[in-house]
Amino acid sequence: AQKITQTQPGMFVQEKEAVTLDCTYDTSDPSYGLFWYKQPSSGEMIFLIYQGSYDQQNATEGRYSLNFQKARKSANLVISASQLGDSAMYFCAMRDIRDSGTYKYIFGTGTRLKVLA
Amino acid sequence: EAGVTQFPSHSVIEKGQTVTLRCDPISGHDNLYWYRRVMGKEIKFLLHFVKESKQDESGMPNNRFLAERTGGTYSTLKVQPAELEDSGVYFCASSPGISGNTIYFGEGSWLTVV
Repeated sequence: AQKITQTQPGMFVQEKEAVTLDCTYDTSDPSYGLFWYKQPSSGEMIFLIYQGSYDQQNATEGRYSLNFQKARKSANLVISASQLGDSAMYFCAMRDIRDSGTYKYIFGTGTRLKVLA
Repeated sequence: EAGVTQFPSHSVIEKGQTVTLRCDPISGHDNLYWYRRVMGKEIKFLLHFVKESKQDESGMPNNRFLAERTGGTYSTLKVQPAELEDSGVYFCASSPGISGNTIYFGEGSWLTVV
């Protein structure tokens, strides 16, 4: 069965430093997509970054990058130059790409990040 | 452009009562999804509408949950009768089609059953 594991319930990082949020996944499907979402205190789930299982390069979006290690089944999120506004809950998720037409995401339990001034 | 909106944002009800959550997707989005996060656990898929039809309702926990999307616009999720274990955050999301790499979430409806 597909599963996402986030082992860090909470993390602290100093402002302007980089931080890595861990995510490991388990699937037997060759085609899948990996996502990271941010949930600030307002509650909305904000899409951050996507990595396809066949993508050769690690995905990057501004200060966000995804460290994709397929053999280890890990998809860690790296946030560079942390800002106070990065304080939020972060969720790693996986979607089976073959389920075309349905976005049945499998989510991890989340990591709460606190950026310190 | 308005995002996905959910109502109510917070609800506290007694065990045995009924609650109806509403979701207005982004205009023009045919796909509408419901997810739920029970405290301390992962976010779980409940069901998926394509327009007014239920594409996949495999995540619905039991027959106390009823989702509708009349006319293919907004959707409601009714819990009747509510139980303590139904407490959590109910997220709605929408997407325009099968292309693209994300769906757009609302802010969630926090439900507390006491």
